[in-house]
Amino acid sequence: DQQVKQNSPSLSVQEGRISILNCDYTNSMFDYFLWYKKYPAEGPTFLISISSIKDKNEDGRFTVFLNKSAKHLSLHIVPSQPGDSAVYFCAASGNNDMRFGAGTRLTVKP
Amino acid sequence: KAGVTQTPRYLIKTRGQQVTLSCSPISGHRSVSWYQQTPGQGLQFLFEYFSETQRNKGNFPGRFSGRQFSNSRSEMNVSTLELGDSALYLCASSLAAGGETQYFGPGTRLLVL
Repeated sequence: DQQVKQNSPSLSVQEGRISILNCDYTNSMFDYFLWYKKYPAEGPTFLISISSIKDKNEDGRFTVFLNKSAKHLSLHIVPSQPGDSAVYFCAASGNNDMRFGAGTRLTVKP
Repeated sequence: KAGVTQTPRYLIKTRGQQVTLSCSPISGHRSVSWYQQTPGQGLQFLFEYFSETQRNKGNFPGRFSGRQFSNSRSEMNVSTLELGDSALYLCASSLAAGGETQYFGPGTRLLVL
C-alpha cells in the first residue's frame, strides 16, 4: 500500500519560474517529512525537511509547506534553475516507520 | 568525512542465485537502512539496523535479509533471486535510528537475468 503518493510523475517548468512538487500521505502517525533530490546514477541527497509542529520551512530557494489536515506537503523551488532538474522524492516518517513516494521528475528548461 | 559507500556498484546474477550487498555508513553513524528502488515503485523500505539489531522491517519476503556488524557496516542478502529483484538497492546511514535525516550511498544496481 502506498502511504506516500506523488501523483505527478513528471513536471516541466521554465528557468526562473516556480516549481511546485506535491506529495500526499495517508498515515496520520507520520510527523516528520523530508524531500530528497536524486540525479541519475547517484543516490538521493537530502534537500529539506519539516516537522509536523510547523507548517512551513524555508531554506534558500526551497520551501516546504505542510498541511496536516489535508495530509499534504509541497516543495516550492523559486526561482527554478536548470541544475534543479532531477527526480524529487518525498518521504514521511513516524512511529518507527518511514515511507517514500515514487518520485517526480522535474525538468527545468533554460 | 567520507560518505556512505556501497559495494559492488553493479551486479549481474541469474535467477535462483543469491547475492550479498555491502554498505559502509558515514563514520559515527550507527543506523543503516536499506531501500529498493524500482521505476514504478519508487523507494521502498527494506529494513533498518541500529547497534547490530534490526529495528524495523518493510514488507518484503524472507528471501531478503540483512545484518549489521559492530563497526556499523551492514550487509544485505537476497536468496533465490527472481527477475523482479532487479533494482537499485540503496543504503542510507544516520546518527540515530527512527526516521532521522538519512544520507544515501550511490546504490548497487542489481540485474537478475
